[in-house]
Amino acid sequence: GESVGLHLPTLSVQEGDNSIINCAYSNSASDYFIWYKQESGKGPQFIIDIRSNMDKRQGQRVTVLLNKTVKHLSLQIAATQPGDSAVYFCAETGDSGGGADGLTFGKGTHLIIQP
Amino acid sequence: DSGVTQTPKHLITATGQRVTLRCSPRSGDLSVYWYQQSLDQGLQFLIQYYNGEERAKGNILERFSAQQFPDLHSELNLSSLELGDSALYFCASSAQGASSPLHFGNGTRLTVT
Repeated sequence: GESVGLHLPTLSVQEGDNSIINCAYSNSASDYFIWYKQESGKGPQFIIDIRSNMDKRQGQRVTVLLNKTVKHLSLQIAATQPGDSAVYFCAETGDSGGGADGLTFGKGTHLIIQP
Repeated sequence: DSGVTQTPKHLITATGQRVTLRCSPRSGDLSVYWYQQSLDQGLQFLIQYYNGEERAKGNILERFSAQQFPDLHSELNLSSLELGDSALYFCASSAQGASSPLHFGNGTRLTVT
C-alpha cells in the first residue's frame, strides 16, 4: 500500500550546525506535504508545508525541499538549537482508507542536539 | 498552543471497559480528525468528521466510534478495551479538508490494565 517513511530513525547534530531530515514517499498522487515536530508529552506541531507545484519553501530557520521525480522530501533546519530536539514527522495527503483528508504520517526521526 | 483541547490528559482503565475521549477543535475549524499513536505503529489515522458528518475512515476498529456534535466538539468512544489499545490518542482540526494543515491537541494517554 501507499506509505510515507523516513530514512533515519535518529539524527544527532552539534548545536549550531544545520540539520537535514529526509523523507521518502511512495504515493505519486500526493500533492500536499507537511512537516511536524513532536516534543515529549505534546501533540505534533505544524512546522511548514509545501504543495506539489513547488519544489522549495522557506520559513523561519526551516526550509522544505520537494523532489517529485524521486518522491523525496527534506526538512532543513538552520543553526540547530537545543529547543529543536524532538521527533520530526513528514506527512502527506493520501488515501487514508476513506479517500478523503486524513494525513499519512511517516514513523519519525528523532533529532538529538549535541552541546 | 494549537487551540485544540483534549480531555482527559490521562486515563487508566481495565480491560473490557469503555471510555470516552473529548476534543474541542480550534475556533472556526469544521474538520476534526482522530489519530492513535503507539510506539510500534506511529501515528495512525482513525476517523474524520466535517461539520458533524463522518467524512473518512482510516484504521478504526469496530469497537471504536466517534461523533461530532453541533457545537463541533467531538468524542471518541472506545469500548471492550484491550491491553493493545493503550496508546496516545490525538485529536486534530483544520479549517478545510485536504491541502490544509492539521493542528493537533496534546492528546489523551490511555492505559489499559
